Amino acid sequence: GQSLEQPSEVTAVEGAIVQINCTYQTSGFYGLSWYQQHDGGAPTFLSYNGLDGLEETGRFSSFLSRSDSYGYLLLQELQMKDSASYFCAVRPLDTGRRALTFGSGTRLQVQP
Amino acid sequence: ETGVTQTPRHLVMGMTNKKSLKCEQHLGHNAMYWYKQSAKKPLELMFVYSLEERVENNSVPSRFSPECPNSSHLFLHLHTLQPEDSALYLCASSKGTRNTGELFFGEGSRLTVL
Repeated sequence: GQSLEQPSEVTAVEGAIVQINCTYQTSGFYGLSWYQQHDGGAPTFLSYNGLDGLEETGRFSSFLSRSDSYGYLLLQELQMKDSASYFCAVRPLDTGRRALTFGSGTRLQVQP
Repeated sequence: ETGVTQTPRHLVMGMTNKKSLKCEQHLGHNAMYWYKQSAKKPLELMFVYSLEERVENNSVPSRFSPECPNSSHLFLHLHTLQPEDSALYLCASSKGTRNTGELFFGEGSRLTVL
């Protein structure tokens, strides 16, 4: 089975850097994805790590270490609009499982 | 503006009602999904359709009945629901089911069961 653990809440100030961790227990997966969801909005795709290492997209970076069963999302130069919930997700290797399994999400609050 | 549109955005129904949620995607994708989002819980996969065929049913009670008439439309028919079924129901689409993990979500239908 799959289980993804994230902190429930993180608070940071504008301009700072914040790291949201995702630890997982899974029998195997294709890659680790991150999604952002503002209150009342749709989850939107942020990044995907198919291989170990760091992927950078503007102010956001994502990291995966399969040997450590660990990944994180790094947000730099925080802005107020980054206040949202962030979800990690994996697509399992299990035969017949085709859809993403999500963590419970981390609510990020950016303060002035 | 999202390429995945869900209607209605809000729905209140009694336990004996029958209603349907509708999802339409304008992205040319061939896989569609229903997820349930409850407070402080992970998004729970309900159903997966690929090329209009249901390929995954995640042990969902029979009071939820999906329908995929074509690759652009997905419905979730609801009947005799329970108050614990109150949640945000999210539709998503993707380019096939064996992709890099990028799903495109609609804004959801907020369901309240009285």
